[in-house]
Amino acid sequence: QKEVEQNSGPLSVPEGAIASLNCTYSDRGSQSFFWYRQYSGKSPELIMSIYSNGDKEDGRFTAQLNKASQYVSLLIRDSQPSDSATYLCAVNGAETSGSRLTFGEGTQLTVNP
Amino acid sequence: DAGITQSPRHKVTETGTPVTLRCHQTENHRYMYWYRQDPGHGLRLIHYSYGVKDTDKGEVSDGYSVSRSKTEDFLLTLESATSSQTSVYFCAISGAYEQYFGPGTRLTVT
Repeated sequence: QKEVEQNSGPLSVPEGAIASLNCTYSDRGSQSFFWYRQYSGKSPELIMSIYSNGDKEDGRFTAQLNKASQYVSLLIRDSQPSDSATYLCAVNGAETSGSRLTFGEGTQLTVNP
Repeated sequence: DAGITQSPRHKVTETGTPVTLRCHQTENHRYMYWYRQDPGHGLRLIHYSYGVKDTDKGEVSDGYSVSRSKTEDFLLTLESATSSQTSVYFCAISGAYEQYFGPGTRLTVT
């Protein structure tokens, strides 16, 4: 079992729809969770961090965390073509030291005009 | 944008030659990381540093070494480059938990 798994892509949604990206993790003691966006040929960009159970909203983005189910998700409302990118889930586990992160392989999202 | 630069941005080298990649930060962050990114593998940690002269191995450290003599600089060295080290290399920095990435270095080993 991979430490961090993301829903297989690619994911395609029409403009204006809600895009739902999912991530599960194996380390039950994980405390910090992050979503990165990576455009083709560019570096990962941090878009959301979440540390406690529940929802965290930032503009069109909502991160949801359920530690009991070891599940974190990212919802993108009113999806725009500019949201087309690969989204990476990252987790800071209890088994890792300091601020080390384990990344999922990413989900490629395409928003069609 | 976090103040992180990487040099060179692109490099082509031959098998067996040594290569050094540089990461420079202006944020005075404690932690610095080197990752490689390959299709089908995602981002994998090579080495990281938690302070000047304090470094540790990541999950894919074989064939790589690092040094950090100043807070702002973290060097990644491929002692003898191999074709399997052809990749995109990212440096990241962190003050606590959130990591911020540099622009990356595309390395090709022929």
